[in-house]
Amino acid sequence: SQQGEEDPQALSIQEGENATMNCSYKTSINNLQWYRQNSGRGLVHLILIRSNEREKHSGRLRVTLDTSKKSSSLLITASRAADTASYFCAPTMNSGYSTLTFGKGTMLLVSP
Amino acid sequence: EPEVTQTPSHQVTQMGQEVILRCVPISNHLYFYWYRQILGQKVEFLVSFYNNEISEKSEIFDDQFSVERPDGSNFTLKIRSTKLEDSAMYFCASRGQGMSQETQYFGPGTRLLVL
Repeated sequence: SQQGEEDPQALSIQEGENATMNCSYKTSINNLQWYRQNSGRGLVHLILIRSNEREKHSGRLRVTLDTSKKSSSLLITASRAADTASYFCAPTMNSGYSTLTFGKGTMLLVSP
Repeated sequence: EPEVTQTPSHQVTQMGQEVILRCVPISNHLYFYWYRQILGQKVEFLVSFYNNEISEKSEIFDDQFSVERPDGSNFTLKIRSTKLEDSAMYFCASRGQGMSQETQYFGPGTRLLVL
């Protein structure tokens, strides 16, 4: 497994604005997953993008993957106060045991 | 929608005591995991479990830790002699098998406080 590094560490926006957070990793991956964690709670899976995909959508979420740059981005459109949480990316090297290694995440604050 | 459940939600114990944290993974899942998160820090991998044996473990998972799948539904993490530094949130996760089931689903966690 390898760790993704999220950027920025913190992001503060107003409701209705879009939020973009980025993830970089070091070696080839099989897929990359994004998770959300509300303070003190469990991790909620948001979206998985495979290495042969470049973009994926799920509701207000849009994820891109650039394997040549070893980076991914998560865009949340029309953000809401309920989107306030920490967001983590988890690159996975293979589909064996698929241990996830989490970085420090991006802490998103959406103000009403 | 199926979900991973964990009990208890909170556990307070004295240093040196044994604790068992329980998890019920999603029913048709085959891979099981424990992670922990010390307050204010990253989520850290502890151990993965497949086919009734440990498949991978981190440096954190020393001899004080053990995991077990005692029946067809439960997955447990035992800490034999707790230390103050074991205080953390412990998360269980599970996933299915195959390319279409790579997502790990996490439980809500057990907050362990060692006094």
